[in-house]
Amino acid sequence: KAGVTQTPRYLIKTRGQQVTLSCSPISGHRSVSWYQQTPGQGLQFLFEYFSETQRNKGNFPGRFSGRQFSNSRSEMNVSTLELGDSALYLCASSPGTPVGEQYFGPGTRLTVT
Amino acid sequence: GENVEQHPSTLSVQEGDSAVIKCTYSDSASNYFPWYKQELGKGPQLIIDIRSNVGEKKDQRIAVTLNKTAKHFSLHITETQPEDSAVYFCAASRRDSSYKLIFGSGTRLLVRP
Repeated sequence: KAGVTQTPRYLIKTRGQQVTLSCSPISGHRSVSWYQQTPGQGLQFLFEYFSETQRNKGNFPGRFSGRQFSNSRSEMNVSTLELGDSALYLCASSPGTPVGEQYFGPGTRLTVT
Repeated sequence: GENVEQHPSTLSVQEGDSAVIKCTYSDSASNYFPWYKQELGKGPQLIIDIRSNVGEKKDQRIAVTLNKTAKHFSLHITETQPEDSAVYFCAASRRDSSYKLIFGSGTRLLVRP
């Protein structure tokens, strides 16, 4: 089976712009979670989607949003980018039911200048 | 709130020696504890996990132990090899209806040849 794919792998944006990141889960997996990884804060949970519904959300401002499509692919959006949004954004996929393991993609490295 | 503490932050061992990484969690409702290995430029890779109804789990050179009373869990790597060098993360999760993982801060393991 192909693993989790994320596009793009690298992105450079300017403060105030918005960005959309994409994640394709492992075939057959219905849950997609997003995490932010920074040297200072480590790995932090952003949100999780299952069958197009957000099941859980972390402690991030409303500028961070996401969605999931009927084919389980997911996108996350960050509006009004700030310098502190520079991070590795990781997507993880899981079968969904029963609750099982999470498998991570390679991430998208976002740099905000 | 939910918190996972991980120690040590760095660990250097001689090839062939054992390595032990320890984590403590705060949420007593946590019942799933995965361990991830992250190499440079890659996403975290699930290497082993344990559920709260099990005290120990082994997979070749890797083992994880769980003490629910003390809210501790540990990763043990025996006969370390240079390719084990990476950053290791522990995590905890409530296996309810969501896949939210709370991660430790990571341990950088260096295996000296």
